[in-house]
Amino acid sequence: EDKVVQSPLSLVVHEGDTVTLNCSYEVTNFRSLLWYKQEKKAPTFLFMLTSSGIEKKSGRLSSILDKKELSSILNITATQTGDSAIYLCAGSPYSGAGSYQLTFGKGTKLSVIP
Amino acid sequence: GAVVSQHPSWVICKSGTSVKIECRSLDFQATTMFWYRQFPKQSLMLMATSNEGSKATYEQGVEKDKFLINHASLTLSTLTVTSAHPEDSSFYICSARGQGAPTNEKLFFGSGTQLSVL
Repeated sequence: EDKVVQSPLSLVVHEGDTVTLNCSYEVTNFRSLLWYKQEKKAPTFLFMLTSSGIEKKSGRLSSILDKKELSSILNITATQTGDSAIYLCAGSPYSGAGSYQLTFGKGTKLSVIP
Repeated sequence: GAVVSQHPSWVICKSGTSVKIECRSLDFQATTMFWYRQFPKQSLMLMATSNEGSKATYEQGVEKDKFLINHASLTLSTLTVTSAHPEDSSFYICSARGQGAPTNEKLFFGSGTQLSVL
């Protein structure tokens, strides 16, 4: 059974801090790992990682995949109160005929205090 | 703990038929369940919110007669795509929120259903 584990489950930091969120996965026929930011209505897509060692960046957020360690990290530098959210990672396998599934982790709740 | 099972994981159907997708919370009682639609590399789009024993609340632009949601018990919500058409082909995901801590602090996601309408 596929499994995705995120750590820590909850994190409180001060504005300006840098945080690293962790995600480890056990996904059969692994294809990609996705990061989402869950705020209000629905998770917002952040990154999709398929290749090991290649960092993806978007503003203050960056993420990298380590296929050897079966893990990924999401970094947020110079955190702001608007970064407060639950961050989800999900693993996706290769599946037949174009179908795919996502196994979500339980999420890391990040709280950024002024 | 806090496992959400979604079934089926993949379904292919003919145009005009109806398809039912189930979302079950296996080890907690889910007072609220959410249904999303996702296109590749895009954010999840919330379709509707369902609370046990009451009518679902649909997001703007989502046809409630086409996407029937039933949340008859605290552990089961179903999404029925009625008279499916090829444009309904998509990846549908559910999530659930429990009653008390810790299951009410986060959303727990099913693994999704890939619907292909021919």
